[in-house]
Formats: sequence, C-alpha cells, structure tokens
Amino acid sequence: QKEVEQNSGPLSVPEGAIASLNCTYSDRGSQSFFWYRQYSGKSPELIMSIYSNGDKEDGRFTAQLNKASQYVSLLIRDSQPSDSATYLCAVNRGGSNYKLTFGKGTLLTVNP
Amino acid sequence: NAGVMQNPRHLVRRRGQEARLRCSPMKGHSHVYWYRQLPEEGLKFMVYLQKENIIDESGMPKERFSAEFPKEGPSILRIQQVVRGDSAAYFCASSFDRNTGELFFGEGSRLTVL
Repeated sequence: QKEVEQNSGPLSVPEGAIASLNCTYSDRGSQSFFWYRQYSGKSPELIMSIYSNGDKEDGRFTAQLNKASQYVSLLIRDSQPSDSATYLCAVNRGGSNYKLTFGKGTLLTVNP
Repeated sequence: NAGVMQNPRHLVRRRGQEARLRCSPMKGHSHVYWYRQLPEEGLKFMVYLQKENIIDESGMPKERFSAEFPKEGPSILRIQQVVRGDSAAYFCASSFDRNTGELFFGEGSRLTVL
C-alpha cells in the first residue's frame, strides 16, 4: 500500500463550482497534514495545513481531516481558472515537520 | 524579497559525469531541505541541512550523493557518476524554523542524464 495516495486526475470542474480533492495515508502515526499547490514548472506552494480532526477554513479553501479513516481532503469553493494546478497532499509523522511524505498529486482543471 | 533560488533550472549530463545543484534559501532561513521527484512519483525527502551541518540524511542514496551547506554560499547537492535513474527534478526548500511545517520550495533543478 502506498504511503500517501491521491487520485491523479485530471479532475475537471466548471468555473464557480466546488472542487473536491482527496487523499488517504497509511501511517496511523501521521500527525501533520498539508496541501501544496504546484503550477506546471513552478515550485510547490503551501496553501493549507491541518493537525486535528475536523474542518479548517481559509478563504475559499477548506481542509478536512479524519484520522480514524486516515483521510484528508481539500475543498475549493467558487473555483477559478487560476486554481488550475496540481495539488499535492503531504503528511508527516511528527516530531519535525520537514520530513514530509507526498502523494503524486491531483491535476485540477477549472474550465471557464 | 527573493524566494528560494535554485540553479541551474535544467541540467543535462552524460552517464558518469558529475552534477552539482545549488540552492540559496530565503533570506533569514537557516534550514535547507532537498527533495527529489522522480518521473511519475511524489516528492521524496533526501536531506536536511543547517549551516555547516547535515542534520538528517536518511533519504539520501548511500552512494554517489552528497550535500553540503557551507558557512558562506549556497547549499550544494552533488551527484557523482550520474546514471539514467538519477534523471529527476530536485527541489530545495527552506524554513525559518524546522518545526513550523511551512517549507518554502524553489522551482527545482531538472536533471536529465543521457
């Protein structure tokens, strides 16, 4: 079983819709969870972090964490064409947050 | 305020040559991390350095790879005697604090081994 799994996509949504990105992880000891956005040929950029079960909202982005199900998701409301990118899910076991385990990413396309 | 700077952005080497990738962290950051992204794979941690010290190299291949972060100048990831399997994107990240969880990534150096 892969450590962090994401649907590779592409996920295609119309402008203004809600985009839902999902991620599962295998290590029950994981404590910190991150979503990075990566435009083609650019650097990964942290957009959300979540550490406890439940929802965390930041603007149009909501991260959801369910440790019992080993599941973390990212919702993007009112999707814009500029949201079109690859979204990387990353988790870490704890202690120090630098040793992240990344999924392969989900390519999101928002159609005008 | 410049971000994490990596160079070269693209590097082509023949098998057996050496590759040197450089990374300058964000201003004020003293923690540097190298990650590798192989084709069709997720980013994988390689090494964590602070000035003049390797803190964690648990993700580094045992042979041919080395990293340094000297007192002056950028961090360098060095790959000796490159093989085709080394072809990948190498990303550097930096942080102000190792425990904040926020890593700032550079745009990567893409190594192609012919």
